[in-house]
Amino acid sequence: DTAVSQTPKYLVTQMGNDKSIKCEQNLGHDTMYWYKQDSKKFLKIMFSYNNKELIINETVPNRFSPKSPDKAHLNLHINSLELGDSAVYFCASSQGLGQQASEQYFGPGTRLTVT
Amino acid sequence: AQKITQTQPGMFVQEKEAVTLDCTYDTSDPSYGLFWYKQPSSGEMIFLIYQGSYDQQNATEGRYSLNFQKARKSANLVISASQLGDSAMYFCAMSYSGGYQKVTFGTGTKLQVIP
Repeated sequence: DTAVSQTPKYLVTQMGNDKSIKCEQNLGHDTMYWYKQDSKKFLKIMFSYNNKELIINETVPNRFSPKSPDKAHLNLHINSLELGDSAVYFCASSQGLGQQASEQYFGPGTRLTVT
Repeated sequence: AQKITQTQPGMFVQEKEAVTLDCTYDTSDPSYGLFWYKQPSSGEMIFLIYQGSYDQQNATEGRYSLNFQKARKSANLVISASQLGDSAMYFCAMSYSGGYQKVTFGTGTKLQVIP
């Protein structure tokens, strides 16, 4: 009965490779997010989707491409991986928009290591 | 620009004592939400408490309370009767609208509870 799930939990890959991280939520929420947490624990929002539509796209290299096949899924594909992409990536979901939005439920995170 | 500031990178508290974690925010948006999340060493992000900008009363959830001072733009988290399991990183976050939900996180405070 996991609320927000991510796969894989750990991902080790070489520079230049392409990889994907999958996220699914079973909470019926209409908004999903991707965050990057760096080695200093700083959390930065990358993307946000509402009802499969991209609504936030922060300054993220275009090597990162989110895809939302439906409201319950938001996948993150990364092309040409670089050393600086090493981080923990969190998926999250919430209900509603703006100030009326509910709290966000986070997935367990995917620790990406690029060698 | 919207910003969250947590000035305490690390704090210690004796078990069973109360502790206050500071958070100040900056926004020109009249409609916003303030959140606190806990991240234990295991890495997951756990929602603790929420305060809406129009809420008249301070939010409380069990041992957690949010000391909301709108004029000062502060949203401090108070944990009463600290427990060893409270040792974790704590993040303050703000959601704001303008039609969409954007979320900004602070840099976090590492709390250590001493037996």
